[in-house]
Amino acid sequence: GDSVTQMEGPVTLSEEAFLTINCTYTATGYPSLFWYVQYPGEGLQLLLKATKADDKGSNKGFEATYRKETTSFHLEKGSVQVSDSAVYFCALAQNSGNTPLVFGKGTRLSVIA
Amino acid sequence: DSGVTQTPKHLITATGQRVTLRCSPRSGDLSVYWYQQSLDQGLQFLIQYYNGEERAKGNILERFSAQQFPDLHSELNLSSLELGDSALYFCASSVGHQTPTSEQYFGPGTRLTVT
Repeated sequence: GDSVTQMEGPVTLSEEAFLTINCTYTATGYPSLFWYVQYPGEGLQLLLKATKADDKGSNKGFEATYRKETTSFHLEKGSVQVSDSAVYFCALAQNSGNTPLVFGKGTRLSVIA
Repeated sequence: DSGVTQTPKHLITATGQRVTLRCSPRSGDLSVYWYQQSLDQGLQFLIQYYNGEERAKGNILERFSAQQFPDLHSELNLSSLELGDSALYFCASSVGHQTPTSEQYFGPGTRLTVT
């Protein structure tokens, strides 16, 4: 079945550092890809998404590009802030039928001042 | 605030018991999804309802059941509870029923502890 693999955390960065969280997937066809963020004590929020190869999703300074050739969707941000501390989930969903989101295990990011 | 509400926030119960978790979707959303988040399994999809009908089923145990009522709120029933059922249970809602095109909004979750 479909699956998502994320780099294991936790990741600790200093404020203004560059962030990369790796995500690769295994799926039939060409699914849509998502990044969700979970702040402490809250539910998940959609951060960005891409629905086809070479699409770039972006939001709040975060970016991820759908790379079909490497089956990857790495999350990047040029300069992290303390407020970015959260757990980040990569996910996929097939574009046909009633298919649910398949999540990676999540990567905890801590940003220190 | 996503607009999705879940009650209760925390639940502590004993093995063998039965509990009901409740979810109210955002106004106008017809789909409700249930997820289980545990340390070992991660975030797993359990079941989806759309306008009162079951739409998709994931790794939901036979001891678990759900329904969506005419007012669109949903309940997840967990019975014969085991220690391994301790987890955070999330509800999400969306307008439509197809995941890629219909953004899911997540509630804050119900933390279930089975002792």
